[in-house]
Amino acid sequence: EVQLVESGENLVKPGGSLRLSCAASGFTFSDAWMSWVRQAPGKGLEWVGRIGSKSAGGTSDYAAPVKGRFTISRDDSKNTLYLQMSGLKIEDTAVYYCTRDRTALDYWGQGTVVTVSS
Amino acid sequence: DIVMTQTPLSLSVTPGQPASISCKSSQSLLHSDGKTFLYWYLQRPGQPPQLLIYEVSYRFSGVPERFSGSGSGTDFTLKISRVETEDVGVYYCMQGIQLPKTFGQGTKLEI
Repeated sequence: EVQLVESGENLVKPGGSLRLSCAASGFTFSDAWMSWVRQAPGKGLEWVGRIGSKSAGGTSDYAAPVKGRFTISRDDSKNTLYLQMSGLKIEDTAVYYCTRDRTALDYWGQGTVVTVSS
Repeated sequence: DIVMTQTPLSLSVTPGQPASISCKSSQSLLHSDGKTFLYWYLQRPGQPPQLLIYEVSYRFSGVPERFSGSGSGTDFTLKISRVETEDVGVYYCMQGIQLPKTFGQGTKLEI
């Protein structure tokens, strides 16, 4: 069974930094492309970025609103995906979902809440 | 960016009746390899989204047969043949042909 488990709730001040984690199981994580998607309170879904498998070069791509501030990385030895967020803004407040990316985002974690507030 | 436009934005359906949601993309989602990268998701209240349909018309594992997808190019439709109470939630279409992946605004289905 595919499982994706993100880290817990997080509160940070504007301009601060935070790292989210996503523990994966039930599939060969090292072969998987992975994406992060976020959902602001009461809003729709917004793709944040993705990282390729190491065998595909392990490159990452980002949505414009987060490019230069967010970095996606992975530790295949720990089956864990990360989202390093810096220069956080109030508008980054959202539930962040980790997803397996097979072009379709086929499996999703339960999400972790990030609140950016002074 | 490819803009995904869903209609209607809300839908009230009696159990047992059909429902239909439209999704239009600002560019063709047909890839040169012949695949069309259009997906449908359902987000039940308080839950993460779950994949229903991939590549326009293929039901994902465990998705009931009452869900079907159709369309081509830039125009797509999700149909529920007979709505059940568990189908309540917000439905999203998503394109995967080009980065950034983009979603429709969502269609809220109520019973």
